[in-house]
Amino acid sequence: SYELTQPPSVSVSPGQTATITCSGDKLGDKYASWYQQKAGQSPLLVIYQDSERPSGIPERFSGSISGNTATLTISGTQAMDEADYYCQAWDSDTEDVLFGGGTKLTVL
Amino acid sequence: QVQLVQSGAEVKKPGASVKVSCKASGYSFTGYYMHWARQAPGQGLEWMGRINLHSGGTKYAQKFQGRVTMTRDTSISTAYMELSRLTSDDTAVYYCAREPGGIIVDFDYWGQGTLVTVSS
Repeated sequence: SYELTQPPSVSVSPGQTATITCSGDKLGDKYASWYQQKAGQSPLLVIYQDSERPSGIPERFSGSISGNTATLTISGTQAMDEADYYCQAWDSDTEDVLFGGGTKLTVL
Repeated sequence: QVQLVQSGAEVKKPGASVKVSCKASGYSFTGYYMHWARQAPGQGLEWMGRINLHSGGTKYAQKFQGRVTMTRDTSISTAYMELSRLTSDDTAVYYCAREPGGIIVDFDYWGQGTLVTVSS
């Protein structure tokens, strides 16, 4: 079955750049989205269509894709960015939605 | 503004069923898909399936086939997810999420979540 793989955890110092990756077979042929989930809250869409940012999401959040790896980059990371981040894609062959396992971002 | 408001927490016994509702407001209900996902304690997100709010057509994740039913009532802009034959592994927060539609499948609004606890 199709899977999306994320690192379990990423640590970053305040003001530095955090990068979270998401890899999957043929991910480059699909669109990746990214969600932020803070403790006790519902997920929040921060990136869609690989690199587009919804209204209201700070410019420090950006997305990119290279080959079969999507990347979420948070520039000038702030303490408020500490959260779990999930990538998501849609498999057009099975019409299933897939989530990565999630990455816990710690801002030290 | 768009809102998805889910029903309250449930406690169920093993073998029972649970039905969670998701009331939408602030947009044209039938113009979108509604998806359901769940999150077990301390775990990641797991997609369960989706319903076309216009036609009622559904697509379920294979894991839940035969055990999940997604419906909607367009007169009250509410989507439902019913899960049967519950076990302790079904203890989780269940979310509804709106898909804007088109060629991209992603979720721009989420409900607040409904905790379902399965315990004898």
